[in-house]
Formats: sequence, structure tokens, C-alpha cells
Amino acid sequence: TQLLEQSPQFLSIQEGENLTVYCNSSSVFSSLQWYRQEPGEGPVLLVTVVTGGEVKKLKRLTFQFGDARKDSSLHITAAQPGDTGLYLCAGVFNNQGGKLIFGQGTELSVKP
Amino acid sequence: DVKVTQSSRYLVKRTGEKVFLECVQDMDHENMFWYRQDPGLGLRLIYFSYDVKMKEKGDIPEGYSVSREKKERFSLILESASTNQTSMYLCASSLISGTLPYFGAGTRLSVL
Repeated sequence: TQLLEQSPQFLSIQEGENLTVYCNSSSVFSSLQWYRQEPGEGPVLLVTVVTGGEVKKLKRLTFQFGDARKDSSLHITAAQPGDTGLYLCAGVFNNQGGKLIFGQGTELSVKP
Repeated sequence: DVKVTQSSRYLVKRTGEKVFLECVQDMDHENMFWYRQDPGLGLRLIYFSYDVKMKEKGDIPEGYSVSREKKERFSLILESASTNQTSMYLCASSLISGTLPYFGAGTRLSVL
């Protein structure tokens, strides 16, 4: 059973465009993380959100945690080719023994 | 900085071979994890360990075993490699339960 649904799976856009990636669950997260992974490397943590309604900004990246703590979004403003990579959301669910469960990932390609 | 080192970046093995994937962390972390990553499926937990000589099954343990004889080292073993075990394998460690994991760079295993 996939507890975390991430969408879209693939995204190809032009430099300068905006985009949003979504992460959804029917269960409540105790916390949620967003990672970025470049080819041939392991995932690198971008941000953790814990409180319902929380918004965090990291330069051109905005992360939002839903009020009910069941969903999250990553918005990138004015995407750059350097943003290209795999974006993964991962959630900790209370009913999963504190394990970190990953979404399927969003493969982002930003063309110059 | 935490360093999680996986012994091989790329491995090519034949069906039926016994395969060892090694992972070492240098920050005295209690927890260590093995994930496999496949396109469209995200990261799936194979095994994890909360302490030396302790191991717990993750979501997809079939066909794998693990060994943790020392705190800093967590080995993943494929007793008899099969083609469906061709994948990217990621090791991670975290300080204690509920804290976020740090990932190694990954081992891309091909089983022919």
C-alpha cells in the first residue's frame, strides 16, 4: 500500500517558469521532509515541516504543509537549469512506527 | 559533517552470485538503513538496524539479509542475486529514532 502519493512523476519546463510538486496522503504525518537527488548521488535534505499550515522558504523554493498535516507542496519560482533533479517527499507516520516513507519522486527537467 | 560511505558506486554481478554491499558511517549514529530505489517507486526500505547485532525487516526484505557486527558498519547481503534485484541501493544513518537520516551516494547494482 502506497501511503504517500507524489505528483507529477515527470515535469519538463523552460527556464523561468514556475512549478508545483504535490505530496498527498490519507494519513496524518507527524513530520514531512523534502529531498533533492542528483544523478549518481544520494538524496539531500532540503527542508522539514512539522506544524500544520507551516510555510518555509529556501531561496526560490517554497514548501507548504497542509493544515491537516496530510499533504504538502513544493513550489519553485523562476526555475533554473540547476534545479533539475529528482525531488522526493518523505513522511513520518505515527502508525508506521516512526519509519520514514518515501513518495515515488518527481523528475524535474528545466531546459535553458 | 556526517559521512555515510558506500563501498562501491557501481557493481555488476551474475545471477546466483552472493553479493555484499557495505556501508560505513562516521558519526556514531545508532540507526542504519538500507533502501532500494527504482523509477516510479521511490525509495523502499529493505532492512534497518537500531543497534549493533539488531535488525528489523523493512517493507521489502525478501531476498536480502543484513549484518551489523559493529556500530559504524551495516552490510546488505544478497544470498543469490537475481535480475529483479538490479537497482540503486542507498544506505542511510540517523542519530536516534525519529531523527532524519543522512544518505550515502548509492550503489548501482546490475545483475546479469
